[in-house]
Amino acid sequence: DGGITQSPKYLFRKEGQNVTLSCEQNLNHDAMYWYRQDPGQGLRLIYYSQIVNDFQKGDIAEGYSVSREKKESFPLTVTSAQKNPTAFYLCASNPWQGANTGELFFGEGSRLTVL
Amino acid sequence: QKEVEQNSGPLSVPEGAIASLNCTYSDRGSQSFFWYRQYSGKSPELIMSIYSNGDKEDGRFTAQLNKASQYVSLLIRDSQPSDSATYLCAVRKTGGFKTIFGAGTRLFVKA
Repeated sequence: DGGITQSPKYLFRKEGQNVTLSCEQNLNHDAMYWYRQDPGQGLRLIYYSQIVNDFQKGDIAEGYSVSREKKESFPLTVTSAQKNPTAFYLCASNPWQGANTGELFFGEGSRLTVL
Repeated sequence: QKEVEQNSGPLSVPEGAIASLNCTYSDRGSQSFFWYRQYSGKSPELIMSIYSNGDKEDGRFTAQLNKASQYVSLLIRDSQPSDSATYLCAVRKTGGFKTIFGAGTRLFVKA
């Protein structure tokens, strides 16, 4: 079945460690996104990518990095520079090309806790 | 002013009633509007999209858009306990790639 796979589902990190969250999609979508959600809050955009080898900062990119070497993959690294990384991280994709309606398809999310 | 605003709730309705969820947005250049449902601990799921003024119906759901008032709403008819979730309003500008989300409204449907 087509979809977006995020891993790991749960992740614990010690302060000062970098961690990488995986996001893979087999929907053949061009655009991919990373959002962060804190309890009781909406989704905030971290990074997005419209095509391979290109990505743009969202509203809260500080302390995060991404890469887009393949169309299917858009991993997010949470660096030690991110001061408050404990959150629910959501990866999403969108067809983009042609009739870009903007509808987002989400993975199941990765819940990161800093100990 | 937040770009997308929603009443956080909780909104509580009895089973079988109509639930009405509201959303306002600040950017008049916005062209695409979405409602996502998010169950506790899960990821958002798209339930409605609307692009032009007026109503759009899909089963028990009706989305309403008024661009002049910068207002989007979602009506859920014959509400069921399984509709209990947080409903996120989302807005995207024309030609843009960023979708802005509201903080969501929590809905409880009492059996």
